[in-house]
Amino acid sequence: GEDVEQSLFLSVREGDSSVINCTYTDSSSTYLYWYKQEPGAGLQLLTYIFSNMDMKQDQRLTVLLNKKDKHLSLRIADTQTGDSAIYFCAERRGSTLGRLYFGRGTQLTVWP
Amino acid sequence: ETGVTQTPRHLVMGMTNKKSLKCEQHLGHNAMYWYKQSAKKPLELMFVYNFKEQTENNSVPSRFSPECPNSSHLFLHLHTLQPEDSALYLCASSQDPGTNTDTQYFGPGTRLTVL
Repeated sequence: GEDVEQSLFLSVREGDSSVINCTYTDSSSTYLYWYKQEPGAGLQLLTYIFSNMDMKQDQRLTVLLNKKDKHLSLRIADTQTGDSAIYFCAERRGSTLGRLYFGRGTQLTVWP
Repeated sequence: ETGVTQTPRHLVMGMTNKKSLKCEQHLGHNAMYWYKQSAKKPLELMFVYNFKEQTENNSVPSRFSPECPNSSHLFLHLHTLQPEDSALYLCASSQDPGTNTDTQYFGPGTRLTVL
């Protein structure tokens, strides 16, 4: 199937905001997810958004969803060095219950 | 700690060896998954089990053999692997893959190196 697209790398300075972008493939996708993977670890669920929402905020995290363009973004406010990790976008496509499709991940590097 | 544990965390094996990866979930979920994570590639779903029954096999070579004795345990038996099988193998679990609200929780993975 088609790929979920993400930029591979993003570098920001500590204290700045980070915005990680994702383009998904299926306009009928029901849920979209952001996972975080720290070195040597598995994937940690950060947040998710239902397709009938435009925005979801959870402390320093803001998720924006543009269904028309099939674009998802994750904004991290006041980025810290501990936020350095790989961030994966994933979609649950409407026709494939139980199956998630992941992007290749965005490596976020936060400089002090 | 996500409630999903995997052992071993690291494994080095020769192409003629037989080994097994183990996953255990403490979340009371009904479904379990094996994923393969290779460098610079999207996560690849390998197998899905729901209520101990295999519901998806994503064209995985037969040298990978899954086993799900109950809803809390999942194994991946490995034999005659190839060097290109070296990767991070991730296990996940979820409550009910038949619902749109279902969310998958991942274990820390087993880093496999095939010599």
